Amino acid sequence: KAGVTQTPRYLIKTRGQQVTLSCSPISGHRSVSWYQQTPGQGLQFLFEYFSETQRNKGNFPGRFSGRQFSNSRSEMNVSTLELGDSALYLCASSGVLTDTQYFGPGTRLTVL
Amino acid sequence: KNEVEQSPQNLTAQEGEFITINCSYSVGISALHWLQQHPGGGIVSLFMLSSGKKKHGRLIATINIQEKHSSLHITASHPRDSAVYICAPSGTYKYIFGTGTRLKVLA
Repeated sequence: KAGVTQTPRYLIKTRGQQVTLSCSPISGHRSVSWYQQTPGQGLQFLFEYFSETQRNKGNFPGRFSGRQFSNSRSEMNVSTLELGDSALYLCASSGVLTDTQYFGPGTRLTVL
Repeated sequence: KNEVEQSPQNLTAQEGEFITINCSYSVGISALHWLQQHPGGGIVSLFMLSSGKKKHGRLIATINIQEKHSSLHITASHPRDSAVYICAPSGTYKYIFGTGTRLKVLA
């Protein structure tokens, strides 16, 4: 079974731009969660989607949004990028019968 | 006070040593996850616990729900165990994370 894939792996943007990151979960997994990891704040939960519905959301501003498609693939969007948005963005998927999360390799976003 | 406290923050051990990493949390949870992150960023979920104890190879995880405390033990540590270990309590779909314990095992 293929693992969780994330695209792109690396991204450089400038302040004020917007960015869209993509996550393809393991086949059959319907839950996708997104996380931000920075050296200063560590890992922080962004949001979780299940069957195209956002189930929970972390404490991030409205500039961070996401969605999930009918094939369970998910995207997250960050608008009006700030320098502090530079981070590793990780997504993880899990199946119906288990809460074990399988993480993707992450997208490293640099905002200049 | 953080909702999740891990100790120690950094740990250096000799190969073969028994290692314990502790996690205390102050929130109500439905489960607790232990994650391993290697240099380069890849994260692997090691355990999900809601009670008692789980063992996988040389790794053992325990949780005491009443005490709001969990431990991760590594027996016969090996240099390939060098990584950051992160405790992540979860409740009703929301996850919070400890700051991680950076483990280095020397040959």
